[in-house]
Order: sequence, then structure tokens, then C-alpha cells
Amino acid sequence: LAKTTQPISMDSYEGQEVNITCSHNNIATNDYITWYQQFPSQGPRFIIQGYKTKVTNEVASLFIPADRKSSTLSLPRVSLSDTAVYYCLVGALDYKLSFGAGTTVTVRA
Amino acid sequence: DGGITQSPKYLFRKEGQNVTLSCEQNLNHDAMYWYRQDPGQGLRLIYYSQIVNDFQKGDIAEGYSVSREKKESFPLTVTSAQKNPTAFYLCASRPDGLWDTEAFFGQGTRLTVV
Repeated sequence: LAKTTQPISMDSYEGQEVNITCSHNNIATNDYITWYQQFPSQGPRFIIQGYKTKVTNEVASLFIPADRKSSTLSLPRVSLSDTAVYYCLVGALDYKLSFGAGTTVTVRA
Repeated sequence: DGGITQSPKYLFRKEGQNVTLSCEQNLNHDAMYWYRQDPGQGLRLIYYSQIVNDFQKGDIAEGYSVSREKKESFPLTVTSAQKNPTAFYLCASRPDGLWDTEAFFGQGTRLTVV
């Protein structure tokens, strides 16, 4: 599995856009990039997945540059309820599903 | 209502006792996973199973055991050999274990050993 590096924590205010960048320098050709969100005392839930360029859904956008050595999860106009831990995972055709420490995002009023 | 169910939500045990955490899914998923989470920390993989009657150690398997006799069930036993078993335990499943498929998580079991 490609190793990932993401910030430990980020602070924001309601209504702002939050961008979390994940570095994955040794990403392999077949690797996908997946982000999960976890609220306290709950299991993580899938947010978004991408392979290249840009992916958008109702929750977030994922930007992947051409070299794919990093990716950015963008949360538009965050609210207090977006306070959570966000995990970046990179891997392909690998049954092992390993999470790192994640990024704790705190949204303030 | 499809999903993945962990029980119980809270569990208390005395030190030295083995305890088994239940994980059941009705999603018809092949792959299942067990994680441990300590306060303020990320998820650490204990065991995973790609298919019935097969499972592999994760990153922190010592002191834990699992079985996968049925597709729907993947129980985790925390043995007395686990030095610090108090933690939040999460179970997950994926359709076939390949990377580009979403994992679904249970609500977790909080184990306290006294």
C-alpha cells in the first residue's frame, strides 16, 4: 500500500471551504484514492473516491493532479456538523484496508 | 434493512477473561475487517478476511483471534494475552475486497476491561 501523509488537524469556520491535502508519493499505476469521514464514537463512512483529475459528489470534491502524487479533498461551505476526522487511503487490488491517523477538522461558529 | 451490526455496543469484562465481539452483515459482502481505535488515534487493523474460512493478520493481531465460518459473521475474540484491551472496536465489510469498492462500518463496540 502507498504510504500517505496528511495534516494532523485543521481549523475552520462555518461557511468556509476546507481543503485537506494528502501526499502519496509512491502511488502505483492501479491505485485509487479514497476518503472516509469519521464522527466521534462512530465507524467511518465513505465520502469520495477517484483515480485522476476531479471527482465531485453531493458531499465533497476530490482533486488529483496529473502526477497523482497528492490529492485534495475539498469540503465546500462547511458547517459545525462537518467536524470530524478525515482519512485518505491509497491502494489497489489489495484486500488489506489500512487507515492512517487521519486529519481532525474542527469547524467553529 | 441491510447493514453491518456489531453487538453489544458497550462491554465490560474483568482482566484475564476472554471476550468475543460480534459482527454480522447482511450485505452479501465477501471481505470483512476488524479494527481497534484508541482515544484520539486512527484505526488500526487487527484481522481481515477475504472469503469464508480464510483470514489474515493485520497490523496488531497479537492477543486477538477470529473465525470466518459463515459469510455473514466475523467474530473477534479478545484474549487474556492482549495487554491493553480497553478500546473502541470497529468491524467493516466490503463487497469483494478489491480496492475500488466502498467499505461499510458497524457502529462499534466499546470494550472496557477492569
